[in-house]
Parts: sequence; structure tokens; C-alpha cells
Amino acid sequence: EIVLTQSPGTLSLSPGERATLSCRARQSVSSSYLAWYQQKPGQAPRLLIYGASSRAPGIPDRFSGSGSGTDFTLTISRLETEDFAVYYCQQYGRSPLYTFGQGTKLEIK
Amino acid sequence: EVQLVESGGGLVQPGGSLRLSCAASGFSLRSYAMSWVRQAPGKGLEWVSAISGSSGTTYYADSVKGRFTISSDNSKNTLFLQMNGLRADDTAIYYCAKEYSGYDFDFWGQGTLVTVSS
Repeated sequence: EIVLTQSPGTLSLSPGERATLSCRARQSVSSSYLAWYQQKPGQAPRLLIYGASSRAPGIPDRFSGSGSGTDFTLTISRLETEDFAVYYCQQYGRSPLYTFGQGTKLEIK
Repeated sequence: EVQLVESGGGLVQPGGSLRLSCAASGFSLRSYAMSWVRQAPGKGLEWVSAISGSSGTTYYADSVKGRFTISSDNSKNTLFLQMNGLRADDTAIYYCAKEYSGYDFDFWGQGTLVTVSS
């Protein structure tokens, strides 16, 4: 089973700042299989990034993904107030078929 | 417009059963794999089960294998999750989700809450 570890657990930043969120896998993950989601309270998750670096339709270009192998990063270039939420990375594998990281909460400083 | 609408959640006693439904519109279930993903109160996301749109092949997390069954009725474009032998740790919001690039999910329902308690 591939375990995804996200860091930090909580990130406190101000609007306009840059956010860097990390997702580390215990074993190498194909870049095609790595995605990022945003979840706001009371809402379903929203796909941001797929294939490690491709933005999903309608996602602003301030969101970008990078990385390969065991280390992946979600970067938000200039935070807007609506970006404060919980972010999850997710990978596609064998058993289980999908695994999520434990999440990073991005809060307003 | 793609829409996923879950129903069937509620309060059930330990050991009981529940059947969740996810009505899909705007696309055909025959063309996409679908999953159920759950989220315990205040916790993260956990994938539960998936079904291939083309072949109907099913997949399960170890935590639900042998207790949950995923299925779909393509004529009604509806996804199901039959949950038997429910336990307290099955308490969660259950989301249905549509696959996007083959390895991720682009559309999610609003979720249905399942509470297992005596």
C-alpha cells in the first residue's frame, strides 16, 4: 500500500502570499497518477490538479502542481481569500485502488 | 451539465444494512468508472469502492471488502452501494465521484451522511 504524507498539517498565511504544500509517497508514484483536491467546509472536494501538473478545467492559473517519484508539490502563487481550505493529494495504485493524503489545512494568518 | 445526487443515508444500528444511491445526469455511467469515497466526521477522505463503466469490474478497500457491494443500473444511470454489517467506524459522509483522466475524480456529489449508532 502506498502511503501519502502531506506536510505541513496546517499552514498559516496571509492573502497575497505564496503557499507551498507537500505530498510525499512512501514508494514511487507515476506522475500520471497524482492529483490534488481542495475542500471547503460543508462541500465536496474539487479537483485542482491531475497528472501531477495539469490544471483541471476552470482552475485558476495561480494553482500549479509539480514533482515526480515520491515528492510532489502544490503551489498557490498568490493566495486569495477563497483559497483558504483543506487540500488533499491522491494517488491511483493497486491495492487500494486510490489513496488520499491526510490533508493540509490552509488557514488565514 | 454533469450532476451526481446521492441519497439513502441515515441512522442505522450496528450490524444493520443501508443502500446508497447516486443518480447521475449529464453523462453515461457506461462510459466512466465511478467510485464511492467517504469522510468520517472531521477526518480526511477514504476511498471505499469503484466500478468500471465498461466492464463492470469492481474494487473495494480492505476495510469494506465482504461487507459492501457496489453496482450500477445503466438503464437508470444510477450507482449503488449496498452496505451490510455496518459498524460504528463506517459513520461518514459518503460521496459518489466520477473518474476524470482514469486516475482521479472530476465530479462529486453533495454527499449523504451515514450514522451507525445504537
